[in-house]
Amino acid sequence: GESVGLHLPTLSVQEGDNSIINCAYSNSASDYFIWYKQESGKGPQFIIDIRSNMDKRQGQRVTVLLNKTVKHLSLQIAATQPGDSAVYFCAENAFGVSGTYKYIFGTGTRLKVLA
Amino acid sequence: EPEVTQTPSHQVTQMGQEVILRCVPISNHLYFYWYRQILGQKVEFLVSFYNNEISEKSEIFDDQFSVERPDGSNFTLKIRSTKLEDSAMYFCAGGNTEAFFGQGTRLTVV
Repeated sequence: GESVGLHLPTLSVQEGDNSIINCAYSNSASDYFIWYKQESGKGPQFIIDIRSNMDKRQGQRVTVLLNKTVKHLSLQIAATQPGDSAVYFCAENAFGVSGTYKYIFGTGTRLKVLA
Repeated sequence: EPEVTQTPSHQVTQMGQEVILRCVPISNHLYFYWYRQILGQKVEFLVSFYNNEISEKSEIFDDQFSVERPDGSNFTLKIRSTKLEDSAMYFCAGGNTEAFFGQGTRLTVV
């Protein structure tokens, strides 16, 4: 039968406004997190990371907040620009059974920037 | 700036055929990964590779899949007998603690 793509949550923001994208992660033992941006037809692009011993980290126009109590991450984009339109994924670094890391991706949020 | 390079960018293959997807990771990375993304869906972990051997694999990575790093630079994913449901974007990634992704190979099985 016909396959149906996963319905992504969508966030629409006006150009120049701030965007907040949220993510819930599953493994309380995860100790490292990355936000990725994925534009259509391209691979995930590293934006910013945060370790579990921090609750906030800032980059250029982006801030990641980590709340370990409720296993929640957020990505804040300041002064959102048309080039920020993409799907955003959080990925948690889960220490696997073999003693090495693997990244587990969340579902993703589509950010649409309105002119 | 160094980047992860994947070839080909698009591969069309007949069902039942073998395909090899190729990746050249960034040279100083220690961990390598293959991920899959079915159109419109999330990025799924397939396998991780460290110290020239598989360190972890998902339930998707069955006996039809294999990985190799034959010459210390290239990193390949082989699918022995492709099925229609293998159609997806396949991403190679590498890193030490972080993971940097290539642009992907779109595999279409017909």
